[in-house]
Amino acid sequence: DAGITQSPRHKVTETGTPVTLRCHQTENHRYMYWYRQDPGHGLRLIHYSYGVKDTDKGEVSDGYSVSRSKTEDFLLTLESATSSQTSVYFCAISDGLETQYFGPGTRLLVL
Amino acid sequence: AQSVTQPDIHITVSEGASLELRCNYSYGATPYLFWYVQSPGQGLQLLLKYFSGDTLVQGIKGFEAEFKRSQSSFNLRKPSVHWSDAAEYFCAVGETSYDKVIFGPGTSLSVIP
Repeated sequence: DAGITQSPRHKVTETGTPVTLRCHQTENHRYMYWYRQDPGHGLRLIHYSYGVKDTDKGEVSDGYSVSRSKTEDFLLTLESATSSQTSVYFCAISDGLETQYFGPGTRLLVL
Repeated sequence: AQSVTQPDIHITVSEGASLELRCNYSYGATPYLFWYVQSPGQGLQLLLKYFSGDTLVQGIKGFEAEFKRSQSSFNLRKPSVHWSDAAEYFCAVGETSYDKVIFGPGTSLSVIP
């Protein structure tokens, strides 16, 4: 299995609070992604990164920001969490030659 | 815009029976196509992928899929289902192997003993 960890694995927070999720990889892959998974929608891309400090928006980026200061870490921040951001968040990585490999996910509940 | 549809939200099959999960995509060129499986509480695992060449691709766990350009389909098949195959299955399409990948809504598979 690809070396991808996500932290925290579970989080409960209140509306309006900031939340940061971390994705850490040990594969030295160039590309990293953040998805959210909701019933009936499959996975939807939030943001992705194609290198250190190089990021771009996905299809559901509103309310989210990302940062990548090191190859191994990709942070997803909810500046002011809302109940609609309750979801399961997955990080993925790719070396650009093969497909994406996924982390174990983070369950976020916004009350 | 790229899109992926999986017409079956939920499928139930008996153990030992054959399985076919449907996937249709909308894309202007020949896309990169993937099937992923997600067991309860787990992340996604790649079953197989199609980039080019032979339109029948073999994957892990005894799965195969066939790319049919004329039908814009990439259906997943398995000749004999095992109880451990019960999971959520996602079809996905991308412009390249690492580009933004669009996922279908998923098909939930239940296996009856």
